[in-house]
Amino acid sequence: AQRVTQPEKLLSVFKGAPVELKCNYSYSGSPELFWYVQYSRQRLQLLLRHISRESIKGFTADLNKGETSFHLKKPFAQEEDSAMYYCALRGSIQGAQKLVFGQGTRLTINP
Amino acid sequence: DGGITQSPKYLFRKEGQNVTLSCEQNLNHDAMYWYRQDPGQGLRLIYYSQIVNDFQKGDIAEGYSVSREKKESFPLTVTSAQKNPTAFYLCASSLRGSYNEQFFGPGTRLTVL
Repeated sequence: AQRVTQPEKLLSVFKGAPVELKCNYSYSGSPELFWYVQYSRQRLQLLLRHISRESIKGFTADLNKGETSFHLKKPFAQEEDSAMYYCALRGSIQGAQKLVFGQGTRLTINP
Repeated sequence: DGGITQSPKYLFRKEGQNVTLSCEQNLNHDAMYWYRQDPGQGLRLIYYSQIVNDFQKGDIAEGYSVSREKKESFPLTVTSAQKNPTAFYLCASSLRGSYNEQFFGPGTRLTVL
């Protein structure tokens, strides 16, 4: 079964501190993993995907197949990073692609 | 601002009534999706459609129905059989195939009175 777990519902850090949002997954095949973000009063939008291996807004995420994790990290948090973050896994069900989302982590950056 | 639109933004319904949520996209995407967003539960897939005139049940399809008569439209009907319909509903679309980003609409908040 496909499953995504974000163990922290709420995470609060101070501005300038490092931040790490945890994501663990279970999937029998080769996973595609994503981080989506929802800022206040804005739409849910893609932040980054593991296949791109890119840094977006200072965030990075590395797929660790051994630990089945895809944690989101940023070395120095900024106030504008406050948002709801969702980790998502794409698997193939009968040839169709669908996303499975984690429960989400609300990140608050304190000034 | 094009992309994906959902209407209405807020919707109130009496118990026992069916209600239809609209989702339209002008991105020429083949695939469209409906999710339900509840606090502490993330997004759960209700229905998805990979192509016109075809759709599949997601993880929580009971009490919901959809149609896909046009590429740009994917309406969701919340029927009276849905036991806990009060929620925030999100529509999304994407190109078909791997690694394609899903683009989300602004959502509809449904409240059953």
